[in-house]
Amino acid sequence: NAGVMQNPRHLVRRRGQEARLRCSPMKGHSHVYWYRQLPEEGLKFMVYLQKENIIDESGMPKERFSAEFPKEGPSILRIQQVVRGDSAAYFCASSAGTGSGYTFGSGTRLTVV
Amino acid sequence: AQTVTQSQPEMSVQEAETVTLSCTYDTSESDYYLFWYKQPPSRQMILVIRQEAYKQQNATENRFSVNFQKAAKSFSLKISDSQLGDAAMYFCAYRFKAAGNKLTFGGGTRVLVKP
Repeated sequence: NAGVMQNPRHLVRRRGQEARLRCSPMKGHSHVYWYRQLPEEGLKFMVYLQKENIIDESGMPKERFSAEFPKEGPSILRIQQVVRGDSAAYFCASSAGTGSGYTFGSGTRLTVV
Repeated sequence: AQTVTQSQPEMSVQEAETVTLSCTYDTSESDYYLFWYKQPPSRQMILVIRQEAYKQQNATENRFSVNFQKAAKSFSLKISDSQLGDAAMYFCAYRFKAAGNKLTFGGGTRVLVKP
């Protein structure tokens, strides 16, 4: 049973481009969470999704960032018109339910040049 | 809003010795979980130990144990018989049970293990 799969592992984008980060949850998990980790800091919650629904997006920046978790396929975190401050590691985690434990993916390191 | 504070940016320990990492948190809730996660250079977040707030008994997982002081809102991690593979960033995290599965993390403590 594969764990939470994130790809790509590393992503380089020029300022103004779009970044798409993908997350496939563990088999049987229908809850997905995205976190951002700036250098030398802890993880910060961004958004919590269930299939086709955003449950909590209280940590998402108001502009340029969006997330989805379609009925079929992986969850996508999309960052439009990236800026240098978006450079960070982005982690996805999944769980089977709200009372269940998390499993984290290995993260995607986004570098904006 | 809940906050989690790790006051030690870095701790150094001799191999086979014991090190204790501190964590304090601020919440008005009574029913919650606390966690310690390990993040090695591979970047993978690994759950080390978990504590439920209503359980008075301190959680233990092999060489890892916690000292949970609910009234003081303190949740320290003790690593006994430290091994080279314990070198990593360690993050304390809090989760309020009624707020879904959202985790609030501290800023982390880097543990260095000297051979």
